[in-house]
Amino acid sequence: NAGVTQTPKFQVLKTGQSMTLQCAQDMNHNSMYWYRQDPGMGLRLIYYSASEGTTDKGEVPNGYNVSRLNKREFSLRLESAAPSQTSVYFCASRSATGEDYGYTFGSGTRLTVV
Amino acid sequence: QKEVEQDPGPLSVPEGAIVSLNCTYSNSAFQYFMWYRQYSRKGPELLMYTYSSGNKEDGRFTAQVDKSSKYISLFIRDSQPSDSATYLCGKGLGVTGGGNKLTFGTGTQLKVEL
Repeated sequence: NAGVTQTPKFQVLKTGQSMTLQCAQDMNHNSMYWYRQDPGMGLRLIYYSASEGTTDKGEVPNGYNVSRLNKREFSLRLESAAPSQTSVYFCASRSATGEDYGYTFGSGTRLTVV
Repeated sequence: QKEVEQDPGPLSVPEGAIVSLNCTYSNSAFQYFMWYRQYSRKGPELLMYTYSSGNKEDGRFTAQVDKSSKYISLFIRDSQPSDSATYLCGKGLGVTGGGNKLTFGTGTQLKVEL
């Protein structure tokens, strides 16, 4: 099925550990985004990539890095995980042209940092 | 003040009721507006988008935008238990370009009871 695929779906990390969240889309979308969702805070943008080869900071980038590996893949890395990074992480993609204005979201990665 | 304000609910209605979900926003630069539905432990899915004032209808759903008062609404007619979810409003600055980032409200939790 076409869409946005995120791996892993669940992860528990110890404080200070590192990990990479993977995201891939097969809709030939140009733009990709990483959001985190916390109770009472809604969806907040961490980083985005307007097109292959570019990345930019969003609202809450501290503690994260990203890589736009190719047009399909956009990864999010936590170098030294902290309990404040416990959240649900969503990857999304969007076409930059035409009338497809909406984002397509993945199913999320639930991350707990202990 | 958050750029997008949304009553978190929860909102509980009987089956068949008309539901009204609302958002206000503070940035007049916002040009297009979207509603997403998110079921528990799933990613958000796009319901509707609009980039003009007035109403847009799609089946049982109507999105209404009033740019003069910076107010958007989603109406659900003949509500069903399957409509029970969290509804997120999103706003963006433009309709094209990969860098267009959506700003979301915190979401309103809706429960439709039998």
